[in-house]
Amino acid sequence: GAVVSQHPSRVICKSGTSVKIECRSLDFQATTMFWYRQFPKQSLMLMATSNEGSKATYEQGVEKDKFLINHASLTLSTLTVTSAHPEDSSFYICSARSAGQGGNTEAFFGQGTRLTVV
Amino acid sequence: AQSVTQLDSQVPVFEEAPVELRCNYSSSVSVYLFWYVQYPNQGLQLLLKYLSGSTLVKGINGFEAEFNKSQTSFHLRKPSVHISDTAEYFCAVSESGGSYIPTFGRGTSLIVHP
Repeated sequence: GAVVSQHPSRVICKSGTSVKIECRSLDFQATTMFWYRQFPKQSLMLMATSNEGSKATYEQGVEKDKFLINHASLTLSTLTVTSAHPEDSSFYICSARSAGQGGNTEAFFGQGTRLTVV
Repeated sequence: AQSVTQLDSQVPVFEEAPVELRCNYSSSVSVYLFWYVQYPNQGLQLLLKYLSGSTLVKGINGFEAEFNKSQTSFHLRKPSVHISDTAEYFCAVSESGGSYIPTFGRGTSLIVHP
């Protein structure tokens, strides 16, 4: 099956600094990538959808200047949390989809990144 | 727009007992349905999916689910659970033929006791 690798799995940063999370599709080309945020014991909240080579589409209430998404290639998307604050601490998960892998019916998920801002 | 309801936030069960995790959805159009499993501090792994055809879908790890259009349900079942099945389970729905952006339920925590 298709593999999506997310890095780092855990990161601790100081308040005010920026953190970059990478999401890579290892064995397929990801035309679309999704970024989710998951609060403890809760479901996944879609933050944004990005298509390769174009600007990300952010969900309502998600600050695009704070959560910068770049999808510069068909195998890599990055989420940068800028000027992080403790309330940004959360579990972030990416998923990737391509027309070739599973058609347009399925997205494949990364392992997630646990961000802790101190 | 579609929505997913997982009525049970937590389901405790003894090892080797059967289990059913409930999922109901709402949508004005045809849908695809999915069940994912999430182990602690990990991403989501697809258990099974319904796209079309047979309403009984078999997935990995001995799980199966049945699509019931009249009841708008897609309940997940396993005849005999193991300790290793302890995890969070998410039901998701997306519009068939749409842009495929899944909507997730809030999750059900399956706790298997020895």
